[in-house]
Amino acid sequence: SAVISQKPSRDICQRGTSLTIQCQVDSQVTMMFWYRQQPGQSLTLIATANQGSEATYESGFVIDKFPISRPNLTFSTLTVSNMSPEDSSIYLCSVAQGENNEQFFGPGTRLTVL
Amino acid sequence: GQQLNQSPQSMFIQEGEDVSMNCTSSSIFNTWLWYKQDPGEGPVLLIALYKAGELTSNGRLTAQFGITRKDSFLNISASIPSDVGIYFCAGQLGNQGGKLIFGQGTELSVKP
Repeated sequence: SAVISQKPSRDICQRGTSLTIQCQVDSQVTMMFWYRQQPGQSLTLIATANQGSEATYESGFVIDKFPISRPNLTFSTLTVSNMSPEDSSIYLCSVAQGENNEQFFGPGTRLTVL
Repeated sequence: GQQLNQSPQSMFIQEGEDVSMNCTSSSIFNTWLWYKQDPGEGPVLLIALYKAGELTSNGRLTAQFGITRKDSFLNISASIPSDVGIYFCAGQLGNQGGKLIFGQGTELSVKP
């Protein structure tokens, strides 16, 4: 499976600021995704990052709050904008790979907003 | 929207015991996947299931895709301390990858 890295691994931020999270894959992949995992909770899909076009957002998530870039087939960024303590979560990127497009996850970015 | 009900929420077992957890849904899925998440890590794929009725093993892990396509179970045999973690089921609607719907997770604790 692909090797997926995320930067930063964790951060502590002040409310009202923004943080950009990077996801790097060691091979070209068509499908990349961003998930949020709130403390003690399961994973929820934020959006599908489409290469060369705008991301596709799930219900409850908007581009102004979570702008996403996907400049090529190995890289994507997620920005958490105008942060509040409710944004404290683990943010994970994933890629679909293989014959059956199973999803593999990065290590996550643990964000704490004060 | 689609929801997955995963149970049990947590389990405390003795090393060597077998474990079983399951997921049910009101929706039909084309693919079921089981992941394990360790603290501070992303979920790691354990088993993927693609056909109704399919039974697949990965070492001490066995998972089945329910006949109705609305449920799946995961069994772990002869548990060991490193099995500790949170196990998530996930259902996928499409055949070409895409959105995963996750269960709430089962937290497994193994007492040596």
